[in-house]
Amino acid sequence: NAGVIQTPRHKVTGKGQEATLWCEPISGHSAVFWYRQTIVQGLEFLTYFRNQAPIDDSGMPKERFSAQMPNQSHSTLKIQSTQPQDSAVYLCASSLDRRGQEQYFGPGTRLTVL
Amino acid sequence: GQQVQQSPASLVLQEGENAELQCNFSTSLNSMQWFYQRPGGSLVSLFYNPSGTKHSGRLTSTTVIKERRSSLHISSSQTTDSGTYLCALERNTGANTGKLTFGHGTILRVHP
Repeated sequence: NAGVIQTPRHKVTGKGQEATLWCEPISGHSAVFWYRQTIVQGLEFLTYFRNQAPIDDSGMPKERFSAQMPNQSHSTLKIQSTQPQDSAVYLCASSLDRRGQEQYFGPGTRLTVL
Repeated sequence: GQQVQQSPASLVLQEGENAELQCNFSTSLNSMQWFYQRPGGSLVSLFYNPSGTKHSGRLTSTTVIKERRSSLHISSSQTTDSGTYLCALERNTGANTGKLTFGHGTILRVHP
C-alpha cells in the first residue's frame, strides 16, 4: 500500500497562472478530503468527496477554486488565476466511507505563487 | 470561538523528560485523531482515538468525551520527538461530513 499519493510535491506559479494539484487516494478508500495548511491559518478543510460525488465544499473559496473526482483513483484541485495568498501546502486525505473513520494524509503539494 | 484548543502552544524538554499535550474541544465529536508533523513534512497519524486510552510505544492517548478533552502523553522524550503535534476532530453534527477540524498544534523541542 503506497498510501495517499500527491503530485507534484512542489509547484511554483506566477501570479495569474493556473495550478492543478493531483491526489490518488488509498485503494479501497471512497472518501477523499482536501485541506490547506498555512502558518497563519493552520490546517483548514476545503472540500470532501464520497464515492466520487462532492459532499461538502464549504471550505472552498468561491472564486477560482474547483475540485473534481472523475474516477475512484484520483482527485484534482484546480486554482485559476493564482494569487500570492494562495501559497500554502495543499493536503489530500482519504478514509473508508463510514462516519468517524481515520483519515490518512498524503505528503502534500507546496504551492508558491510569485 | 475556536472549537479545538491545544496547549501548550510550545514546549521545551530535556531528553528523558515526559510531556503531556492537551486538546480541548467545545463540540461533540465522531472521531479524534492525533498527528505528528516535522517542519516541511507530512502529517503522520499517531492515534485514532475517539474515546478511552490507547498506547503505542512511549506514546499514550486518552480521550474523555464527557470532559471534552483529549491528551497525548510522551514518556522518556527523545530528540527525534521534536516537531509539531496536532489534534483534530470530526464534529458530530448529524451529517456525515467527515471533515476534520484541527487545533493549532503544540511545537515540541527536545534538547539532548
